[in-house]
Amino acid sequence: GESVGLHLPTLSVQEGDNSIINCAYSNSASDYFIWYKQESGKGPQFIIDIRSNMDKRQGQRVTVLLNKTVKHLSLQIAATQPGDSAVYFCAEFREGTALIFGKGTTLSVSS
Amino acid sequence: DGGITQSPKYLFRKEGQNVTLSCEQNLNHDAMYWYRQDPGQGLRLIYYSQIVNDFQKGDIAEGYSVSREKKESFPLTVTSAQKNPTAFYLCASSPGQGGYEQYFGPGTRLTVT
Repeated sequence: GESVGLHLPTLSVQEGDNSIINCAYSNSASDYFIWYKQESGKGPQFIIDIRSNMDKRQGQRVTVLLNKTVKHLSLQIAATQPGDSAVYFCAEFREGTALIFGKGTTLSVSS
Repeated sequence: DGGITQSPKYLFRKEGQNVTLSCEQNLNHDAMYWYRQDPGQGLRLIYYSQIVNDFQKGDIAEGYSVSREKKESFPLTVTSAQKNPTAFYLCASSPGQGGYEQYFGPGTRLTVT
């Protein structure tokens, strides 16, 4: 079946390090791949998206990479800060359908 | 101050009772969604509505019902038929008739005993 999953449920980094959060997907027909951030007790927030015909997109301190050959998506956070501590979800989207979320990776940033 | 509000933040009910969770948005978004989140899990879609007076079932609609009488409001009723209702419920909206950039409310944590 269609699924979006993450390689690791938790990731711990030191403040100032770069973080890489990975996600594997199975549906080649998805049009967009998206990253959301969820802080404790809150709803998820949109971070960045990438269209399926792209392989890299950069935002402010974040970069998303898409490797369609191996169906892999990653989120890179530069100079990770304590405020980046949260659960990160990847999601996939096809036009005319709904978002499908993965299970999430908990990022813990220590000072 | 635009956004999505969900109330209450915490809700407790006895087994066998129906309960309605509120979701209101003033973003003028056409599409609204309800998700369920269980510990350590991703979000699973319960129902979504792309336009007033219309809604579709998501992946886990059994035991839930919704209505969309107004653009701003999309209440979710958790019925007694839902076997495991204790969860964190999230409401979201998006511009247009459905998209991937969704704006989420703060959630309602429902506990049924």
